[in-house]
Amino acid sequence: EPEVTQTPSHQVTQMGQEVILRCVPISNHLYFYWYRQILGQKVEFLVSFYNNEISEKSEIFDDQFSVERPDGSNFTLKIRSTKLEDSAMYFCASMSEGRSPLHFGNGTRLTVT
Amino acid sequence: AQSVTQLGSHVSVSEGALVLLRCNYSSSVPPYLFWYVQYPNQGLQLLLKYTTGATLVKGINGFEAEFKKSETSFHLTKPSAHMSDAAEYFCAVNPTGTASKLTFGTGTRLQVTL
Repeated sequence: EPEVTQTPSHQVTQMGQEVILRCVPISNHLYFYWYRQILGQKVEFLVSFYNNEISEKSEIFDDQFSVERPDGSNFTLKIRSTKLEDSAMYFCASMSEGRSPLHFGNGTRLTVT
Repeated sequence: AQSVTQLGSHVSVSEGALVLLRCNYSSSVPPYLFWYVQYPNQGLQLLLKYTTGATLVKGINGFEAEFKKSETSFHLTKPSAHMSDAAEYFCAVNPTGTASKLTFGTGTRLQVTL
């Protein structure tokens, strides 16, 4: 069964550094998402992306965050200058069309030191 | 706006016992409802979903959930717990199933004991 893949599985970075989290959604999917889960807390929506543009974003998704679909397969989340509070598990998800369920990747654990 | 409340952050059951994980939602429009499971160090896996039609939905691994509009609930059940069911379970809502964001509950950690 096709799946969403995320790399790396674990990323450690120093505060103030830029990080790029990578995702390869399921190939025929059209809607793409990033969620995050701070340790011990609930999964929170960050941003949705459709037709090569952001369709919705949460208040967490400030100017430090950006998303890109640089080619036909990858979907990336960039954090320009990481903060300690950015430490979390980041999940990529994709969906084929508006009424289908989200398929999640296994996540990238980001640790900011 | 929509929200999800999961009662009980931790639930412990004996192997073979009934599993009941509670979820209540609020939504200004008819919702689509989902249960996801997260095993340690893994991503979120869809257990089951309610969209329209039959209010009792069956999912993977013997789980099922019933949509009760009058109670705004979507509780997850399994008749007989197995050790492999130990995981974190998340209820989520998506208004009218449109391509908008999922709103998750805070999760319930299920422990299964011998």
